[in-house]
Amino acid sequence: GAVVSQHPSWVICKSGTSVKIECRSLDFQATTMFWYRQFPKQSLMLMATSNEGSKATYEQGVEKDKFLINHASLTLSTLTVTSAHPEDSSFYICSAVRSLGRNEQFFGPGTRLTVL
Amino acid sequence: GENVEQHPSTLSVQEGDSAVIKCTYSDSASNYFPWYKQELGKRPQLIIDIRSNVGEKKDQRIAVTLNKTAKHFSLHITETQPEDSAVYFCAASQAAGNKLTFGGGTRVLVKP
Repeated sequence: GAVVSQHPSWVICKSGTSVKIECRSLDFQATTMFWYRQFPKQSLMLMATSNEGSKATYEQGVEKDKFLINHASLTLSTLTVTSAHPEDSSFYICSAVRSLGRNEQFFGPGTRLTVL
Repeated sequence: GENVEQHPSTLSVQEGDSAVIKCTYSDSASNYFPWYKQELGKRPQLIIDIRSNVGEKKDQRIAVTLNKTAKHFSLHITETQPEDSAVYFCAASQAAGNKLTFGGGTRVLVKP
């Protein structure tokens, strides 16, 4: 149990287009999901906290109008990168916190975004 | 906010030797300290964690120690094997299930 999926696993897009990434908790409900970004050979940096039914909380320096987050259900959060540019190319990883139990955080497999 | 420093950034050890990675944190409100192993292009995998009410925790070849007074915690891997080669991240948060602040990572290479 405790599986988190992301879709797509990789995406290549043209500069100026928007890309939507989905994060799903497959076998548990997640009130809270987190979105992280990881540039090559770097650490994971938290972008935002996604709470079901409310607005996301963004970390300092992350543009909320550029990285749109929607957590419409207890099993799905989406991250939309609007007007993507090459500097947005990165590995985007979500994590989901199981609402019941030990509050353990489970990571998705990540989405590799390449903006041309 | 929280700041987590991790050392060393790279670590090369001979198979069978021990590996030690050290982290320091800044926020005294942090109470949960997980360690993750990440292979190239894959998700981070939780390998061990420790909470602030415990000073040491061990799971087979892996152990973690925590010194809350000094705000530092360490990962110890004994009898290293080639499959231990990966990038290891420490992290800190106020509680399990809260947002994580990661250290910069340590690239571990175990030479056969």
